[in-house]
Amino acid sequence: KQEVTQIPAALSVPEGENLVLNCSFTDSAIYNLQWFRQDPGKGLTSLLLIQSSQREQTSGRLNASLDKSSGRSTLYIAASQPGDSATYLCAVRPSNAGGTSYGKLTFGQGTILTVHP
Amino acid sequence: EAQVTQNPRYLITVTGKKLTVTCSQNMNHEYMSWYRQDPGLGLRQIYYSMNVEVTDKGDVPEGYKVSRKEKRNFPLILESPSPNQTSLYFCASSMYFRPQKTEAFFGQGTRLTVV
Repeated sequence: KQEVTQIPAALSVPEGENLVLNCSFTDSAIYNLQWFRQDPGKGLTSLLLIQSSQREQTSGRLNASLDKSSGRSTLYIAASQPGDSATYLCAVRPSNAGGTSYGKLTFGQGTILTVHP
Repeated sequence: EAQVTQNPRYLITVTGKKLTVTCSQNMNHEYMSWYRQDPGLGLRQIYYSMNVEVTDKGDVPEGYKVSRKEKRNFPLILESPSPNQTSLYFCASSMYFRPQKTEAFFGQGTRLTVV
C-alpha cells in the first residue's frame, strides 16, 4: 500500500529565506507527483506536476524535484514571502494498481508553512 | 477559466436530513472524484467516476452516494447524515487516458457540519 510522508510537519521561517519541503513515498511505481497549496479552510491549488519520467519542474520561485527510484520529492521555495504561508501537500498517482486505480491520488499529511515578516 | 465548482461552500445540517453537494467541471474531464479531509487523517477518497454512468467506491464510501448522469456533474449525496460525516469535502477532476500528464483540479471545498 502506498504511503506518503511529508517532513517537516510544520515550518516557520523569516521572510526572504530559501526553504525546502520534503515528500517521500514508499512505492516508486507512480505516473506522476503533484504539489498543492492549501490556504486555511480553502481548496487545493495545483502548484507543480512532475511526470515520472521527469526530474524537476519549475514555476516562478518554485522548483520541484523527483527521484522516483528513492521515493523522494522536494519542493524548493526561493525568497519566501508572507503570502507563501499555507499548507503544502504532495500527492502521488499510482501506476501499478491496474484498472481504474491510477485515478486516485495518495496524499501526504502536509507541511504547514509560516513565513513571518 | 478551467475550474471545478462546488456548492454550497458551507453547510450546517441536522442528523438524518438528506443533502446533496453539487460539483461541476468545465474541462471535459472523464475522471471525477470526491475526497474528505479530516485532521490527522488527511485526504481520503470517497467515490470516483471514470465517465458517465460509471462510478465506484473509494476508501471511505459508507454513508455516501454519487451519480454521474452528465459528464460535467458529479453530485455527492448524503441520504442520512450523521455527526461523523462532519468534514471538509473536495471534488476533483482530471483527464483519464493520459496518466503521466494527468493533473488533478480541485474545487474550493464544502465545509459540512452535521449536528
